[in-house]
Amino acid sequence: GENVEQHPSTLSVQEGDSAVIKCTYSDSASNYFPWYKQELGKGPQLIIDIRSNVGEKKDQRIAVTLNKTAKHFSLHITETQPEDSAVYFCAASREDSSYKLIFGSGTRLLVRP
Amino acid sequence: DGGITQSPKYLFRKEGQNVTLSCEQNLNHDAMYWYRQDPGQGLRLIYYSQIVNDFQKGDIAEGYSVSREKKESFPLTVTSAQKNPTAFYLCASRPGPGELFFGEGSRLTVL
Repeated sequence: GENVEQHPSTLSVQEGDSAVIKCTYSDSASNYFPWYKQELGKGPQLIIDIRSNVGEKKDQRIAVTLNKTAKHFSLHITETQPEDSAVYFCAASREDSSYKLIFGSGTRLLVRP
Repeated sequence: DGGITQSPKYLFRKEGQNVTLSCEQNLNHDAMYWYRQDPGQGLRLIYYSQIVNDFQKGDIAEGYSVSREKKESFPLTVTSAQKNPTAFYLCASRPGPGELFFGEGSRLTVL
C-alpha cells in the first residue's frame, strides 16, 4: 500500500542554524504534500503545503521542495528558534474523492538555545 | 470560535469495556477523520466520513466503530475487540481539497 518514509526521526540543532527534514512517498499519483507541526499534548497544525504543479514554496523561514521524479519532498527551516522545537510530520495524498492523507512517522526537532 | 472539540482529553478504561470518544466541529466541514497516534509511528487512519450517514474504513479499522448522524459530530467507539487500544486519538475535519484541521486529541489508557 501507500507509504511515506520520513528522516531523521530526531534532529537537534543550535539556535540560528538550519534544519532539514526529508520524506519519500511511494504513490506516484500523490499530488498534495502538507507538513504539520505538533506541540506536546496537542493536535498537529498545518505549517506549509505544496502541490505537484510547483517545485518549491516559501513562507518566511519555512520552505518546502518537491522532486516528483524522485518522489522526494523536504522541509527546510532557517534561522531556527527554540519555539520551533516540536514534532514535524510530512504527509502525501491524492486530492480526489478518495482523499486519504498518508503520514510519515515524524521528526522530533530540538532547537538548543 | 470555530474549531474541533474532542472529549474527554484523558480516558481510562478497563479491559473488556467499550468507550466512546466525542468529536464535534462547528466549521461546517463535510469530511471528518479519526487518526490513531502511537510513538514513532506517525498518524494512522481509522475511519473517515465524506458526508453525513456515510463513512469508510481506514487502514486500521478493526476493533473500532463510528457513526455520522449529524454533520457536526463523528464519535469513535473503541470496542473490546481492539487488542491494543492505548493510544492518542485525533479527530480532524476538512472542507474540501487542502488543509486538515485537527482537534486537541484524546488520550486513552487501558488499565
